[in-house]
Formats: sequence, structure tokens, C-alpha cells
Amino acid sequence: AQKITQTQPGMFVQEKEAVTLDCTYDTSDPSYGLFWYKQPSSGEMIFLIYQGSYDQQNATEGRYSLNFQKARKSANLVISASQLGDSAMYFCAMREPSRGATNKLIFGTGTLLAVQP
Amino acid sequence: EAGVTQFPSHSVIEKGQTVTLRCDPISGHDNLYWYRRVMGKEIKFLLHFVKESKQDESGMPNNRFLAERTGGTYSTLKVQPAELEDSGVYFCASSTTGEGWNSPLHFGNGTRLTVT
Repeated sequence: AQKITQTQPGMFVQEKEAVTLDCTYDTSDPSYGLFWYKQPSSGEMIFLIYQGSYDQQNATEGRYSLNFQKARKSANLVISASQLGDSAMYFCAMREPSRGATNKLIFGTGTLLAVQP
Repeated sequence: EAGVTQFPSHSVIEKGQTVTLRCDPISGHDNLYWYRRVMGKEIKFLLHFVKESKQDESGMPNNRFLAERTGGTYSTLKVQPAELEDSGVYFCASSTTGEGWNSPLHFGNGTRLTVT
């Protein structure tokens, strides 16, 4: 069965440093998409970055990049030059198109990131 | 454009009572989803509407949960009667019809439900 694993319940990082949030996934489907969402204390879920299983290059969006290692089934989020506003819960999620039209994202349990000044 | 809005933001009710959560998707979004996060666990899919029709309700926990989307606009999720294990954050999300494979869902801020 498809599954997302985030092994880091919490992480600390110093302001201006880079941090990597781990995400591994399990699926037997060759086609899938991987997403990262950020949830600050205000509660909204903010989409950060997307990686498709057939994408040849790692996705990047500003300070966010996705370290996609297909053979290892990992999709780690790298945040460069951390800012205080990056403190939030981060969720990794997966979508499998073969499971029909429903956009049924599978989420991990999340990693709580705290950026220290 | 206005984002996905959910009401109320917080709700505290006693076991056995009824609660109704509301979600207003982004205007024009035919797809509407409900998700739930129980404390410390992953966010789980509950159901999916396409306009007013239930496309997939495989994630609904039991028949105490009833979701509606009359007219294909806003949606409500009613829990009746509420149990302690229903406590959690209920998220609503929406997306457009014909979305691409890499199109993200647009989430609301969630409703934090506490059943005492």
C-alpha cells in the first residue's frame, strides 16, 4: 500500500542555515507526484513544491528544492538560508494517478521546523 | 481571488452533540475535498465532490459523518453524534476541473474540532 514516512517529528535550524526535511514514500505505481506543504501556526496549508516521478531534474522553487532520489524512494525538502518565518509544520504528500480521478493525496505525519535566531 | 474559507475556525462540543463544519471553495472550483488530521497523525482523505456529486467517499470514518454540497458551491460536513475520537483538524481543499497532474490542492485554514 502507498505510504509516506516522515521520520523527523521536529527539527531545529539556525537562521540563515540550510535544513533538510526527510520524506520517504512507498508505492508500486511508476507514475506518481510528490508535494510538500507548509502549515504555519495560523493553520493554512501552503503548497511549496512539486516533483513528478518522471521529472529528470530536481524541482526548485526559490529557497525550496526537492532532493528526489527515485531509487531510494526519497523526496527530501531542502530549505536554504532559513528565515524565522520558515518555522512551521511541513507535510510531504503523494498522489497516484492510477487510483482514479480523485485527488486523494497521501500525507506523512509532518515535521515541525523551528528556526532559531 | 479569495482562497478556500472554512467556518468555524474552532469548535468545542460535548460528546453526543452535533457539529456542522462549512467550507467555501475558491469560486469556480468544481472539485472539493475534505481531509482530517487527528492529533499527531497524518492528514487523511475523507471524501471528494465534483460539483454537487460525491465522487469518492471512501475515507469517511462511519455513518456519523455526513457531507453535502448542495448546488455545487459550498459544502458542509456534519458529525452527529460526535465522539471523542472525532477530535482533530478538518481541512477543506478545492481545485479546478481539468487540473494538471502537478496541480496542487488549495487548502483552507481548517476547523479545529474538540469533543469533550
